[in-house]
Parts: sequence; C-alpha cells; structure tokens
Amino acid sequence: DVKVTQSSRYLVKRTGEKVFLECVQDMDHENMFWYRQDPGLGLRLIYFSYDVKMKEKGDIPEGYSVSREKKERFSLILESASTNQTSMYLCASSRFKRDRGRELFFGEGSRLTVL
Amino acid sequence: KNQVEQSPQSLIILEGKNCTLQCNYTVSPFSNLRWYKQDTGRGPVSLTIMTFSENTKSNGRYTATLDADTKQSSLHITASQLSDSASYICVVTALGSYKLIFGSGTRLLVRP
Repeated sequence: DVKVTQSSRYLVKRTGEKVFLECVQDMDHENMFWYRQDPGLGLRLIYFSYDVKMKEKGDIPEGYSVSREKKERFSLILESASTNQTSMYLCASSRFKRDRGRELFFGEGSRLTVL
Repeated sequence: KNQVEQSPQSLIILEGKNCTLQCNYTVSPFSNLRWYKQDTGRGPVSLTIMTFSENTKSNGRYTATLDADTKQSSLHITASQLSDSASYICVVTALGSYKLIFGSGTRLLVRP
C-alpha cells in the first residue's frame, strides 16, 4: 500500500512561533506537494517539488517555505506563524516528473491552530 | 480564468438512495478530470479519472460521466451506504500544464 505520512495530526502554536510540518512518502515518487484546505475554498497549492532540492511556488506561497533534502521527505516551514495560517495542511505525492493530472496520494493532514 | 465549480455544496440523503454530484469547469484546453473522496479527518483518495475520450466510467457503486462539449462531469452514487458520507472533490488538469484546479467539494451525508 502506498503511504504518505505527515508527522503531526494536530498542532497548536502561538503567533510568531516557527512551525515545521514534515511529510514522508514511501513510493519513490518524484513529485511532492503541500496544500492547505479551508472550508469553502477547497485545496490551494502552497509549494511543490519535482526533484530533490527543487521547489516551485504554488498559488499561495507567502508566509511559507519548503525544504526537500531527500526524495522521500518534503517539509513545510512557517517562519513566523500567524492566526490566518490556521488551517488543515495536506501533503501529497505523485509519480513522474512534471506529470499532468496523475493521481495524487495524500497524507492524513495536519490541523494547525495558531493562537 | 480556469475554474471548477461543484454543486450542491452539501447534500443529505437516506441510506439506500441514489444521488448525483455535479462538476462544471471552464478549464481549457482540457486534459483530464478526477474525482476524489475525502472522509472526515483524512486525506482525499482518488475514485476515478476521466479523459477527453471517455464518457462514462464506473468504480463499484460510483459512476462518473463526462461531457467535454458542455464541460460538465457528474458522479452518481448508487444504493448509498453510511460509509459514503464524505466530501467529494472534482479536480481538473489543463492540457500542457502541471497545475491541478480543484473544486471546493460537495459534502455528502448519508443518514440511516
């Protein structure tokens, strides 16, 4: 079974704290993604990576950064958390470089609350 | 602007009944459309993918249709079960693009 594992299901942080969200996939997929999901807005792409040490901005990268030092691991970093970053964060992976419409495999999500 | 709109936003049906969820898109040129199911508190899981040449595809009690002329897709659920309670998300890819365009989903509740 394919598996995408997110390190924390629930986090509560204070405004201004640095937050790390970790994601690991065991499928040897080239592409990895970070989305946030908010009610009524659907999934919005924050960043994605199609290779180790490569990253590209998605639709809403402001306030976030990412790191991909190893193929299986993709981290999302909030340098200084703010209340408007309270959300569900979903990591996903897919096969093939720059694939188009291939199936995304999602993690269980990390629900972040910033107080 | 490439957009995907889903209707209804939410739906309540009785167990055993059928239902149909709609997805309209303005994405052009079209490559494919995928339906995902997202259980509460979990990540989305793919149900089916529709390409330009496909009109209908079934996955158990789920049947997806695609009309590329009118840019509409539907997901029909037959003989609903309590486990069908979830959000259903429509995702469209434009030809020649890496980008996925997500609908905001339909939340389905199946009651006993």
